Amino acid sequence: QKEVEQNSRPLSVPEGAIASLNCTYSDRGSQSFFWYRQYSGKSPELIMSIYSNGDKEDGRFTAQLNKASQYVSLLIRDSQPSDSATYLCAVSTSGTYKYIFGTGTRLKVLA
Amino acid sequence: GAGVSQSPSNKVTEKGKDVELRCDPISGHTALYWYRQSLGQGLEFLIYFQGNSAPDKSGLPSDRFSAERTGGSVSTLTIQRTQQEDSAVYLCASSSLNTEAFFGQGTRLTVV
Repeated sequence: QKEVEQNSRPLSVPEGAIASLNCTYSDRGSQSFFWYRQYSGKSPELIMSIYSNGDKEDGRFTAQLNKASQYVSLLIRDSQPSDSATYLCAVSTSGTYKYIFGTGTRLKVLA
Repeated sequence: GAGVSQSPSNKVTEKGKDVELRCDPISGHTALYWYRQSLGQGLEFLIYFQGNSAPDKSGLPSDRFSAERTGGSVSTLTIQRTQQEDSAVYLCASSSLNTEAFFGQGTRLTVV
């Protein structure tokens, strides 16, 4: 089992729809969780961080964390073509605090 | 500095040559990471420095790769006897303990 898993299949949604991106992790002691967006040819940039169970909202983005089920998700409301990018989930491991990244999910928002 | 700074931004080198890539992290960040990203692929972890602890080198692909971090700040990633499969974007990131990591713009390495 990979330490951080994301769906490698690209996700396509129509403009204005909700995009849902999911991530599972194996280290039950993980404390910090992050979502990054990476445009083609660019470096990853932080979108959201979440540290406790529940939802965290920031504009059109909502991060959801469920530590019991070991998953974290990102919802993008009113998706725009400019949201088209690869979304990376990152988890900080217990003890060493080293970040483990998933392989990313490519999102395409269709105009 | 205001952000993570990497140099050079692009490097073309001949097969068999050694290269050094530099990362200047955000001031005060104790953690520093190196990742490699091949075209169309995900992030490949290379090495992790945290404060004065021994670095986690578990991701280095071969003994041709090494990295150091002097004075807890600037880091250099060295690739000896470069091979064509080393061609990739090398990304550096830094963070404070258990907080979000910020990435530099990367060094695109091309081995010809």
